[in-house]
Formats: sequence, C-alpha cells, structure tokens
Amino acid sequence: AQKVTQAQTEISVVEKEDVTLDCVYETRDTTYYLFWYKQPPSGELVFLIRRNSFDEQNEISGRYSWNFQKSTSSFNFTITASQVVDSAVYFCALSETNAGKSTFGDGTTLTVKP
Amino acid sequence: ETGVTQSPTHLIKTRGQQVTLRCSSQSGHNTVSWYQQALGQGPQFIFQYYREEENGRGNFPPRFSGLQFPNYSSELNVNALELDDSALYLCASSRSRGGDNEQFFGPGTRLTVL
Repeated sequence: AQKVTQAQTEISVVEKEDVTLDCVYETRDTTYYLFWYKQPPSGELVFLIRRNSFDEQNEISGRYSWNFQKSTSSFNFTITASQVVDSAVYFCALSETNAGKSTFGDGTTLTVKP
Repeated sequence: ETGVTQSPTHLIKTRGQQVTLRCSSQSGHNTVSWYQQALGQGPQFIFQYYREEENGRGNFPPRFSGLQFPNYSSELNVNALELDDSALYLCASSRSRGGDNEQFFGPGTRLTVL
C-alpha cells in the first residue's frame, strides 16, 4: 500500500524567510511519480511539480526548489524568500505507473505573515 | 483552453438520499479522477475513468459509482448518503491515464449531508 506523510500540519513564517515543507512516502513500486500541489484559499489545487522515481536531480524554479532523495524516501519542497501570496495548503502526492491511483498526504498549511 | 468545471458548487442532502455530481474535463483530456476531501485532510482517491472505462478504484464502497461520457465529462453518483459523506468532492482531469500525468483540478462540489 502507498502512503504519503506530511508531518508538518501548520507552518507560520514571516515574509522573506525560507521555509521547507517535508514529504515522506512509502511504496513497493519501483516506478512511481511524486507531485506537489498548492491549494490556495480559493480552493482549487494547482500542480507545481512532478518527479519520476528514476530522476533524483534537484529542481529549482524561481523561488521554489525540490529535493528528492530516494534513500530516505523523501521529496521536500523549499520556498526561498517567502511571500504572503505563498500562503496556502501544500500537498505532496504519489502516483502508481498505470493504475491511476494517486495518494495524497494530509497537507501542510503555510501562513506567511507580512 | 477551458479548465475543469464542476457542478453544482454546493449541495445539501439528507441521510439516505442519492446525489449526482458532474464534471467537465479540460479540453484535450481523456481521463477523469474523483477525490473526496474531508476538512483538514488530503484528497482521497475514489476512482478514475479513462475513455469511458474505470481505471482504478480507491477504498470506497460500491454505493459510490461513476460514469464517463464520450466527450470525457464525468459523473459521480453516491447512493444511500451517510453523514460521513459530507466533504468537498474534487474532479481532476489529465491528458492520459498514466501516473506521470499531472492533474488539473476543478473547484469542487461541497456536499453537506444532514
């Protein structure tokens, strides 16, 4: 069975601070995909990034960066110089190759104060 | 490009009733997944439809059923509603059924069961 754990329920930071959101996953599959989604107060989940299990390269996109470590089954997300607009619930998700099922963590609520 | 739309936005039902929720997928997408999101939790996978066939199902009882139409829009039907069915129901579409496809989410339908 697949499982995604986001141990941090809520994080509060002051604008311009860096913040890391943790994600730990469990799967027996050798091929799988990891995702991060953002759910702003408006409610719609928005795709941020996808990683496949064979690609452990870290990725940076503007203020966002992701660290995938297969050895520790972790896929952490860092926001550099956080902004108020980053306030949202962030979900980490794990997908099987073909069966279509995605498993989401319970999310981390990030509040960035001005 | 039209995004994923869901109807209705809100719905109030009483225990034992039946409900149908609707979803229009994004243009060019042939796969639709349905999720249940309880307050403070991550989305829980209900099932996925690919080209009108079910392609994976989560741990939900048979009273949760679905349908996908030739235009790839979809319905989620829930029979014999229970109080615990109160949640936000999310529909997500993707280009195909593979786990590597990012999902595009609709705004959700908030179902309240009294």
